[in-house]
Amino acid sequence: EIVLTQSPATLSLSPGERATLSCRASQSVSSYLTWYQQKPGQAPRLLIYDASKRATGIPARFSGSGSGTDFTLTISSLEPEDFAIYYCQQRSNWPPITFGQGTRLEIK
Amino acid sequence: EVQVLESGGGLIQPGGSLRLSCAASGFTFSSYAMSWVRQAPGKGLEWVSGISGSGHATYYADSVEGRFTISRDNSKNTVYLQMNSLRAEDTAVYYCAKDFHDFWTWGQGTLVTVSS
Repeated sequence: EIVLTQSPATLSLSPGERATLSCRASQSVSSYLTWYQQKPGQAPRLLIYDASKRATGIPARFSGSGSGTDFTLTISSLEPEDFAIYYCQQRSNWPPITFGQGTRLEIK
Repeated sequence: EVQVLESGGGLIQPGGSLRLSCAASGFTFSSYAMSWVRQAPGKGLEWVSGISGSGHATYYADSVEGRFTISRDNSKNTVYLQMNSLRAEDTAVYYCAKDFHDFWTWGQGTLVTVSS
């Protein structure tokens, strides 16, 4: 089973700042890495797939990068609605599909 | 509009059984795999099970293998999760999602609470 480790667990930033979230895989997942955003009481929303492809309707301030074992989700300038929990997920070697434990992005 | 809607959650005693349903609309249901993902209170996401469009291929997390069964009725555009021998650690919101991975469409979730 591929283990995804996200860091940091919590990131405290202010609106307008740049956010950098990390996801590290226990073995290579090529580019088969997906990012989700989840707000309280809501289902997750897919943001980025195949490591760097932005889903339809996702603002350009969200970008993904990386391949192999190290991946990054970057939010270039935080908007108030971006404060949420972010999860990475791999589909390279499944079952099982695995998720990271999440990064909570909170307002400083 | 592509939508999925879960139902069937509730309070159940340890060792009991429950069947969740997920009704889909807005896409050709039989052409797509479907999955269940759960989230324990205050915890992260955990993939539970997936089923191919035809229903011939099914996959399970080790934590539910042998206790849960996924199935689908393509004539009713519905996927099911039969949960037996429920444990306290199965308490979670259960989400239905379209496809095997890269979950573009999620339902609102249905809460399953296993407690005496």
